[in-house]
Amino acid sequence: DAGVIQSPRHEVTEMGQEVTLRCKPISGHNSLFWYRQTMMRGLELLIYFNNNVPIDDSGMPEDRFSAKMPNASFSTLKIQPSEPRDSAVYFCASSLAGVGGNTIYFGEGSWLTVV
Amino acid sequence: EDQVTQSPEALRLQEGESSSLNCSYTVSGLRGLFWYRQDPGKGPEFLFTLYSAGEEKEKERLKATLTKKESFLHITAPKPEDSATYLCAVTRGSQGNLIFGKGTKLSVKP
Repeated sequence: DAGVIQSPRHEVTEMGQEVTLRCKPISGHNSLFWYRQTMMRGLELLIYFNNNVPIDDSGMPEDRFSAKMPNASFSTLKIQPSEPRDSAVYFCASSLAGVGGNTIYFGEGSWLTVV
Repeated sequence: EDQVTQSPEALRLQEGESSSLNCSYTVSGLRGLFWYRQDPGKGPEFLFTLYSAGEEKEKERLKATLTKKESFLHITAPKPEDSATYLCAVTRGSQGNLIFGKGTKLSVKP
């Protein structure tokens, strides 16, 4: 079975440009998460959706970040305008909520560098 | 405030030298405690879920245990391929998201 699929795997962009990260969750999963990982802060939750509805976006840094989930098989995380401090690895993850302890499965990440 | 603290930050072992990683947590209404393994350039890979104090789970050379305040990941006779960062995370109450510790970077030398 395919796992969580993210694209692009690597992106280098200039400050001020728009960045769009994409995610396809595991088929049948109903919760989707966006995490950001940096050396300083580790893994931090940005936002999560349940049944395509945003449940908790308290981790979204500021208005420059937005996330959408138009259907059960696709989500985007957009940064506009991008800044050098946004450089990090962005992980998408999914789970089947309500089953046991909510095991969350991660994609391979999108490595973003803003110069 | 919910908090997950892992120690040590880094651990170097010789092949075959058993040891333990610690994950202490303060969270109200613990729902589950998770262990993940992360290799460089990869996403976290699920290892174990523990739900209640006293529970233990094993997988190959790894064994995870849980008390009311902390969890241990015991590594028995490690091999170089066990080298990775091990992440601990918790979920609480009705929240579905994971709260992560910063991880322990394990290096096993042959």
